[in-house]
Amino acid sequence: DSGVTQTPKHLITATGQRVTLRCSPRSGDLSVYWYQQSLDQGLQFLIQYYNGEERAKGNILERFSAQQFPDLHSELNLSSLELGDSALYFCASSGNRGYEQYFGPGTRLTVT
Amino acid sequence: DAKTTQPPSMDCAEGRAANLPCNHSTISGNEYVYWYRQIHSQGPQYIIHGLKNNETNEMASLIITEDRKSSTLILPHATLRDTAVYYCIVRVQGGTSYGKLTFGQGTILTVHP
Repeated sequence: DSGVTQTPKHLITATGQRVTLRCSPRSGDLSVYWYQQSLDQGLQFLIQYYNGEERAKGNILERFSAQQFPDLHSELNLSSLELGDSALYFCASSGNRGYEQYFGPGTRLTVT
Repeated sequence: DAKTTQPPSMDCAEGRAANLPCNHSTISGNEYVYWYRQIHSQGPQYIIHGLKNNETNEMASLIITEDRKSSTLILPHATLRDTAVYYCIVRVQGGTSYGKLTFGQGTILTVHP
């Protein structure tokens, strides 16, 4: 158990819909990262937040957005969903030194 | 971040040492070598990291060549539960803005009974 929690575990929705994925980092970790893992693209970094502020952006689509709240939990919002957005979405957190990242169990999103 | 090259797959007998190589010939002086693994669709798991000295922890050992252009992750006594995809990642360490991990294809390690 990494100490990072993600909800929901599974999500099935239709094209065009909007969903919100939630992540709670390990206690005390200020950085939260989001990654997407699809069969054809592998594991890809989406975005990083540090103490409520966006710090780094990766291959995140404009239809996707994220935020980190004062209690440090984070949400990833995916809108206008397409079939290709079906993937595993992982959240990770790290401490101030940013050495190791601890990953949550992921949310499996299926868009039908 | 420097690019890494790993063999796509490797096999290992249970109880034997698993030695997973990684080439990172374009590594910069301030870049560290990190190893993560992912057991079937679970979240990736941090294993170990190092700069230039060999490192050991409860999970594995990391051997980095003197020129730092390659490294080897060693699982001293592989078990069936070590079957996973192992990722070698090179990146600048620490800080609040250098968090991105760039995952390649990794090495699929299969441990046989």
